[in-house]
Amino acid sequence: AQSVTQLGSHVSVSEGALVLLRCNYSSSVPPYLFWYVQYPNQGLQLLLKYTSAATLVKGINGFEAEFKKSETSFHLTKPSAHMSDAAEYFCAALSSGAGSYQLTFGKGTKLSVIP
Amino acid sequence: ETGVTQTPRHLVMGMTNKKSLKCEQHLGHNAMYWYKQSAKKPLELMFVYNFKEQTENNSVPSRFSPECPNSSHLFLHLHTLQPEDSALYLCASSQEASPRETQYFGPGTRLLVL
Repeated sequence: AQSVTQLGSHVSVSEGALVLLRCNYSSSVPPYLFWYVQYPNQGLQLLLKYTSAATLVKGINGFEAEFKKSETSFHLTKPSAHMSDAAEYFCAALSSGAGSYQLTFGKGTKLSVIP
Repeated sequence: ETGVTQTPRHLVMGMTNKKSLKCEQHLGHNAMYWYKQSAKKPLELMFVYNFKEQTENNSVPSRFSPECPNSSHLFLHLHTLQPEDSALYLCASSQEASPRETQYFGPGTRLLVL
């Protein structure tokens, strides 16, 4: 079964600093990979997804993620943090079940942005 | 109204109550999902419906009973819940239950079982 590991349940960065949120997946077969963001009291919003095309994926709000097969990683980055980026971020991998596909999520990383 | 909506947004219930969560999507999608989000745990997929047929039941206790009367609506019927069932329940939808399709999430129903 697929598993997704997010290193660091809480990350703090200064406004304007680089954001790096780490995600590793377990599958030996490159899966479809996703990053979602969850703002307080809201549902999850898709930031970006990797579907075996380009290894560097650009998403919304200036975020991007690079798929590295050799490292089984899909880390999320943003060059310059903004206060509005404070939220919880979830990495997810798609795996196939009996007759359907399901997303397996990491535990999430809460990003704080310090003024 | 657009996107995926969920009602109620908050629910408090006793262990002997029966209640239902409602999800509605206005995106013309054919697949709908229920997820459970507990504190400090990954999101857990509960159920998947594709074209109104249940295609996945992720070993969910029978005190949770889903219903999908049409492609736009998904319900989660709750009865005799336990305190550990307290969580945020998220509904999602996608065009189909396939890897190429993005899942769109609703805001969730925060459930507290006393």
